[in-house]
Amino acid sequence: SAVISQKPSRDICQRGTSLTIQCQVDSQVTMMFWYRQQPGQSLTLIATANQGSEATYESGFVIDKFPISRPNLTFSTLTVSNMSPEDSSIYLCSVDGVLGAPGADTQYFGPGTRLTVL
Amino acid sequence: KNQVEQSPQSLIILEGKNCTLQCNYTVSPFSNLRWYKQDTGRGPVSLTIMTFSENTKSNGRYTATLDADTKQSSLHITASQLSDSASYICVVRWYGMLTFGGGTRLMVKP
Repeated sequence: SAVISQKPSRDICQRGTSLTIQCQVDSQVTMMFWYRQQPGQSLTLIATANQGSEATYESGFVIDKFPISRPNLTFSTLTVSNMSPEDSSIYLCSVDGVLGAPGADTQYFGPGTRLTVL
Repeated sequence: KNQVEQSPQSLIILEGKNCTLQCNYTVSPFSNLRWYKQDTGRGPVSLTIMTFSENTKSNGRYTATLDADTKQSSLHITASQLSDSASYICVVRWYGMLTFGGGTRLMVKP
């Protein structure tokens, strides 16, 4: 299995500011993803974080708004830029493909970061 | 469009009772179907995972069934506990693509 930690666990931010969320995994993984979960809703994929290259964004999400870094196989960051109240949500890091555990569907989710934008 | 629909949207049961949550999907083919439990303010935690060839999978008091012909899955919770209060999400996977259901919010009352 993989243990995922996210920082911060929650934050309250002012409109127009930016917040960077960190995701740390205790194992090397091939895939890292960022999801958003708005209140009462299911998860929506924002992007796939690619190591050493630009993230792959889903429809409706753009790099200028959600820049993502992935410098190695265990760490990624998601920045929510120029925030507005509509960005209030839970942001979840997810990983797949734990190295050393081949053949298993090993998608795991982090505990999430609860963001409130005032 | 691939869809995963769950029912009911919400459910209230008394502690100790059993309940069954439903998941209907249109994703076909698919690699596997997974049920997650998500406590309020937490990330989803996997309960069961089934490939298209499996019919049932148990994890303690949780039993998932899968009927690939009718494209239906269910999650049965036996002898519910207060700690079972959470959202339960059905997720269908095809290669690297996940399709999430809207979830069922379960509340177990004493």
